[in-house]
Amino acid sequence: GENVEQHPSTLSVQEGDSAVIKCTYSDSASNYFPWYKQELGKRPQLIIDIRSNVGEKKDQRIAVTLNKTAKHFSLHITETQPEDSAVYFCAASTGGGGADGLTFGKGTHLIIQP
Amino acid sequence: DTAVSQTPKYLVTQMGNDKSIKCEQNLGHDTMYWYKQDSKKFLKIMFSYNNKELIINETVPNRFSPKSPDKAHLNLHINSLELGDSAVYFCASRPGTGYYGYTFGSGTRLTVV
Repeated sequence: GENVEQHPSTLSVQEGDSAVIKCTYSDSASNYFPWYKQELGKRPQLIIDIRSNVGEKKDQRIAVTLNKTAKHFSLHITETQPEDSAVYFCAASTGGGGADGLTFGKGTHLIIQP
Repeated sequence: DTAVSQTPKYLVTQMGNDKSIKCEQNLGHDTMYWYKQDSKKFLKIMFSYNNKELIINETVPNRFSPKSPDKAHLNLHINSLELGDSAVYFCASRPGTGYYGYTFGSGTRLTVV
């Protein structure tokens, strides 16, 4: 089955700086890669996703890049703000994330230092 | 209206008891899931249902039994609860086809004492 590795487990950045979280996946058939943000005590929420036929996607301060050859994808957050502090999860799936389910990375605790 | 709702939000129970968690979605989605989030925050899939039919049944003890009376509901029944079952259980749903992320419920924090 799919295996998703996520690094780092904890990331501390100064407010206003950029943050990068990296993930690798094992199954070359994976074709859908969402990112979730989970604030303390709350549910995971989808923040951005990318399909395997796209190399990069951007939404305001958040961007995701995908390298299918190397089987890795990354989340980039620019101009970080205190409200960006949370645990971020990458995930991968075949079948567009349908009945196959998502395999999640172990999460990155992002801390924004004021 | 909450899109994916779970009840109860908190559940504290003794070892050996049987308990159920309920999940309902009003999004018209075809696929529903149960995920377990352990103390280290790791999210692991337990079950997946598509239109009331079981699709995924990961390596989960058979003390856990999902039931989907209709495509808007997916319940989780747990028999003979053990200390290691303590976790947050999330229900989630998504449209049956296409590339879409999940909508998660608010979670049920289960504590077995």
